[in-house]
Amino acid sequence: AQKITQTQPGMFVQEKEAVTLDCTYDTSDQSYGLFWYKQPSSGEMIFLIYQGSYDEQNATEGRYSLNFQKARKSANLVISASQLGDSAMYFCAMRTPSIQGAQKLVFGQGTRLTINP
Amino acid sequence: DGGITQSPKYLFRKEGQNVTLSCEQNLNHDAMYWYRQDPGQGLRLIYYSQIVNDFQKGDIAEGYSVSREKKESFPLTVTSAQKNPTAFYLCASSWGLAARETQYFGPGTRLLVL
Repeated sequence: AQKITQTQPGMFVQEKEAVTLDCTYDTSDQSYGLFWYKQPSSGEMIFLIYQGSYDEQNATEGRYSLNFQKARKSANLVISASQLGDSAMYFCAMRTPSIQGAQKLVFGQGTRLTINP
Repeated sequence: DGGITQSPKYLFRKEGQNVTLSCEQNLNHDAMYWYRQDPGQGLRLIYYSQIVNDFQKGDIAEGYSVSREKKESFPLTVTSAQKNPTAFYLCASSWGLAARETQYFGPGTRLLVL
């Protein structure tokens, strides 16, 4: 089954610390895409970072990096030097050809991140 | 600025009433999607469209309908057959349907039943 698991319902981190949000996935496809989105209290889903299954290097976008361990089927999001504005829900998602021809994203349940001053 | 707009931000529906949620994009994307999000949950796919005049059901299409008459527009109608419509609705678009294509989301519409 195509599935995304986020095991941390909530996390509390001090400002300026680094934080790792866990994501494991399950798919039998060789080609797939992994995505992280941020959802602040306003509700909009903001795209953060993408990792392709054939990418040999871990993806990075500014303060965001993706720790991709293919053999373990994990795609953890790392936020360096956290800021108060990072407080939000974070969703890991996957697209694979097996899921309706890659038409949809499969989402995890999300992790609520709270940054304390 | 390119992006996706959704309106209204809040929508109230009375019993037995159909309501339509608007979604417009100026990113020139071919594919568009509608998702539903319930409190504390991830997103579930309602409908998607790859090209104009073509759309497909997602996981929870019952009680919903869509149209795709223009590339930039993909409105969603919540019909009276949808018995539990209270949720947050998100529209998204992408260049195509490949696994590597990023879906970009609009700001969402919150639907409440009176």
